[in-house]
Amino acid sequence: DIQMTQSPSTLSASVGDRVTITCRASQSISLWLAWYQRKPGKAPKLLIYKASILENGVPSRFSGSGSGTEFTLTISSLQPDDFATYYCQQYNSYWTFGQGTKVEIK
Amino acid sequence: EVHLVESGGGLIQPGRSLKLSCTASGFTFVDYVITWFRQAPGKGLEWVGFIRSKAYGETREYAASVKGRFTISRDDSKRIAYLQMNSLKTDDTAIYFCSRGNEWLHFLIEYWGQGTLVTVSS
Repeated sequence: DIQMTQSPSTLSASVGDRVTITCRASQSISLWLAWYQRKPGKAPKLLIYKASILENGVPSRFSGSGSGTEFTLTISSLQPDDFATYYCQQYNSYWTFGQGTKVEIK
Repeated sequence: EVHLVESGGGLIQPGRSLKLSCTASGFTFVDYVITWFRQAPGKGLEWVGFIRSKAYGETREYAASVKGRFTISRDDSKRIAYLQMNSLKTDDTAIYFCSRGNEWLHFLIEYWGQGTLVTVSS
């Protein structure tokens, strides 16, 4: 099984901050990496797929990069609606997830 | 707008069975993979199983943790997918999510439901 290691587990930030979350795969997954946003009681929302492609309707302050085993999600200027938990997910072979990063208000 | 709504969760005793439903709207249901995931309290997200579209023979696969106990099916005429869970264990306690997967995008999971809570306890 492909293991996904996501860091940090918690991130405290202020509105306007630049935020970076990292995800590492235990083996190469090429570009088959997605990022999701999850808020309590709501369905997870796809933000980015194939490592760097922004899903339709997702604000351009979100961006993704990386390939192989190292990936990054960046929020260029954190907005109030962005406080949530973010998950990376590999879909190269079935699906496995990082443990999540909770973005909290500083 | 795509919507997926899970139902059927609740409190169930170990060893019993429970059937979850996933009702879809806003897209051509027959064309997509339906995948079930779960998240146990304090644990990470885990895939449970999936069912492909009729065009791909409704092939099903399951995670090792549920294989032989859980069965996924679909009724395209009703736009509903099901997760039949038998021989439930306390470890099966989790929020269960259904999702839409896209086979043309390498099985990317594009949309999720909000989830339904299953609690296995005596």
